[in-house]
Amino acid sequence: DAKTTQPPSMDCAEGRAANLPCNHSTISGNEYVYWYRQIHSQGPQYIIHGLKNNETNEMASLIITEDRKSSTLILPHATLRDTAVYYCIALLYNFNKFYFGSGTKLNVKP
Amino acid sequence: NAGVTQTPKFQVLKTGQSMTLQCAQDMNHEYMSWYRQDPGMGLRLIHYSVGAGITDQGEVPNGYNVSRSTTEDFPLRLLSAAPSQTSVYFCASSYSRGVNTIYFGEGSWLTVV
Repeated sequence: DAKTTQPPSMDCAEGRAANLPCNHSTISGNEYVYWYRQIHSQGPQYIIHGLKNNETNEMASLIITEDRKSSTLILPHATLRDTAVYYCIALLYNFNKFYFGSGTKLNVKP
Repeated sequence: NAGVTQTPKFQVLKTGQSMTLQCAQDMNHEYMSWYRQDPGMGLRLIHYSVGAGITDQGEVPNGYNVSRSTTEDFPLRLLSAAPSQTSVYFCASSYSRGVNTIYFGEGSWLTVV
């Protein structure tokens, strides 16, 4: 599995877009990019995943660069409830052996 | 649906004691796994299973045993508890085919004194 690199922490104003970057320069062609988040000490929660194309769901958007070496998770209108640790994971299709790094602590401020 | 259920939620053990953390899922998922999370750290994979009767080691398997006799249950056994095993433990499950979402339990807080 490719190693991912994320900044340890970021701040965002409530109501603004939160853009969380992830570097995965060693990702292989058949590895997906997944994003999860962990609020307080709860179990991690799935957000979104993608392979090549940009993806959007009710929670967030995922932008993957054309060379697939990096991606950005976008929370379009951050709320205080989005304060959490966000994990970016690169994973082979059909292989659920997830390896979590340290993630990015997103602080949404009023 | 209950999803992924872990018990107990909190446990204090003495060094050298053994115990079992229980995990059950009602989604008919083939894949189940156990993670531990130390303070300020990400999750680390302990053991995983791709179906009944099949288990394998993750990153940090030492000091833990697992078995998978049914699709629904995946217990984690601490053989002889050590203070280094003080952690929060998460169980997770998913389908094993296709691009999957992993569902996590709410965690079990274990303190070894």
